[in-house]
Parts: sequence; C-alpha cells; structure tokens
Amino acid sequence: GDSVTQMEGPVTLSEEACLTINCTYTATGYPSLFWYVQYPGEGLQLLLKATKADDKGSNKGFEATYRKETTSFHLEKGSVQVSDSAVYFCALSDPVGGGADGLTFGKGTHLIIQP
Amino acid sequence: EAGVVQSPRYKIIEKKQPVAFWCNPISGHNTLYWYRQNLGQGPELLIRYENEEAVDDSQLPKDRFSAERLKGVDSTLKIQPAELGDSAVYLCASSLASSTDTQYFGPGTRLTVL
Repeated sequence: GDSVTQMEGPVTLSEEACLTINCTYTATGYPSLFWYVQYPGEGLQLLLKATKADDKGSNKGFEATYRKETTSFHLEKGSVQVSDSAVYFCALSDPVGGGADGLTFGKGTHLIIQP
Repeated sequence: EAGVVQSPRYKIIEKKQPVAFWCNPISGHNTLYWYRQNLGQGPELLIRYENEEAVDDSQLPKDRFSAERLKGVDSTLKIQPAELGDSAVYLCASSLASSTDTQYFGPGTRLTVL
C-alpha cells in the first residue's frame, strides 16, 4: 500500500537558518503530494501541494518539488523564523492507485526554532 | 468563510461508555472525511463520504464505530462502547469533490478514555 516516510524530529534550528525536512513516498499510481502544518493548539493547515512530477509548490517562503525519479517531496525554507515552529506533515493522495481516497500521512516532524 | 467546525473540542469518558463527535463541513463541500490521529502519529483515514453516501469505510472498525451524514451536510461519528485504545484526536475534513481537491481540516476532538 501507499506510504509516506519523513525525517524524525524534533528538529531544532536557530532563527534564520536553512531548513530541509525530508519526505519520500511509495505509491501505486500517480499521487498528488502535500505538506500540512499544525501550529500549537491549532488544526492542520495546508501549506503547499504539487499534483504532478516536477511541479513546485510554494507558500510563506516554503518550497517543495515533486521528484518522481527519487519519489521525494522535501520541504525547504531559506531562512526560518520562530513563528515557523510547528509540526509538519507530508502526505499523499493516490486514488487512481487503488488507495483509499483520503490522504496518507507521514508521522510528522516537530520543528523548533530558537531565537 | 467559516472553516470546518467540530464539537466537542475535548471529551473525557470512562471505558465502555458511548461517545459521539459532530462535524459541520465548509459550505458547498460535497466530500467529508473522518480521520483518527494517535499521539505522535499522522492522521489515518476512517471513512469518506460523497454527499450522504459512505464510499470508503474500509478502515472503520465496524464492531464499535459508526458514522452517518444525513442530508449530505453534517456528520456524526460514534463509538460504542469506547475502549482505552480509542484515545486519540478525531479529525474531520472536507473538500469540494474528491481526488486531488484540497482537504480542509477542522480543529479536531481530543478523546480521552479512562
């Protein structure tokens, strides 16, 4: 079945550091890929998405490129802020591949940014 | 525009008791999802509705869990009887249709079973 693997946390960085959170996936069909973010005390919010190979999703300074050859969708940001502290989830949707038509999530990566 | 609304936000019950969660999706969204998120894990799909029809409930533990979406709008997820292992956050999400449409999540209901 489909699966998503993302780097274990917590990831602790200083403000203005560069961020990369790795995400790789296994899917039968041609999935759409997503990054969701969960800020403390809040619900899941869509951060960015990409629906086909080589697409780049971007939002709030974050970027991720759909790499079919490496089955990856790594999240990057050039300069993080304290307000970026949250839990980040990589996810895929693969209805054509026969998976449930919902999202398959990774376990989440807790990001902590120190001033 | 209002987001996905869920209630209650928190629920504490003793094992073997029943519990119900309510979800109101974003207006106009035909597809509704229920997910369960265990501590330290990502959400896992329980059931998906297209309007009032449950089109994917393969992950729903049917011996104790049930769900309904009368009139294709609000939805209720019920557990009866609850077990200790049911402690989790129950998330509701909605989307315009399905497949690649963006899913919008509610704040969730945190259930604690004692």
